[in-house]
Amino acid sequence: AQSVTQLGSHVSVSEGALVLLRCNYSSSVPPYLFWYVQYPNQGLQLLLKYTSAATLVKGINGFEAEFKKSETSFHLTKPSAHMSDAAEYFCAVSDHTDTDKLIFGTGTRLQVFP
Amino acid sequence: DAGVIQSPRHEVTEMGQEVTLRCKPISGHDYLFWYRQTMMRGLELLIYFNNNVPIDDSGMPEDRFSAKMPNASFSTLKIQPSEPRDSAVYFCASSKKGPTDTQYFGPGTRLTVL
Repeated sequence: AQSVTQLGSHVSVSEGALVLLRCNYSSSVPPYLFWYVQYPNQGLQLLLKYTSAATLVKGINGFEAEFKKSETSFHLTKPSAHMSDAAEYFCAVSDHTDTDKLIFGTGTRLQVFP
Repeated sequence: DAGVIQSPRHEVTEMGQEVTLRCKPISGHDYLFWYRQTMMRGLELLIYFNNNVPIDDSGMPEDRFSAKMPNASFSTLKIQPSEPRDSAVYFCASSKKGPTDTQYFGPGTRLTVL
């Protein structure tokens, strides 16, 4: 069965520092992988997705993620954090078989300090 | 485009009462998803529709929950009778091509069952 694990339910960084949010997946077939962001009191919105093309995926707001099959990872990074990046970030996987539905991780709350 | 519209935004009810949540997807989107978000269980897919037909309802908790999509522009999620453990934020999302296509989330309905 497919699943995702997000290491660290809370991550705190200073403004301007590197952001690294970790996601590891488990899937029996090459997966599709996603990062969604949820700002306070809002629904989720897509940051980026990997669908077996380039392993380094660039998303909105300066975020990117790299698919590493050998490590079964899809970590999210941003070189320089901004106050507006404070939100909850969800990694999700689909094995694009059966019904294709997404399985979401438990989320990582990012705090950015001035 | 107005985005995904959900109503009500907040609902407070007493145990045993019927609750109906409503969703209007983005026009032209063939897929509609209902999710539930709680602190304990994170974000869970309850059911999704393709062209108004339920495709995967394996996440529907029990018979007290039912979802319908009578036409392409409207869906309901009903809980009867409601219980305190149903308290959560319920999100509706829609996409054009399926679960692995970009899903656009509504603002959610915060349900509190007393």
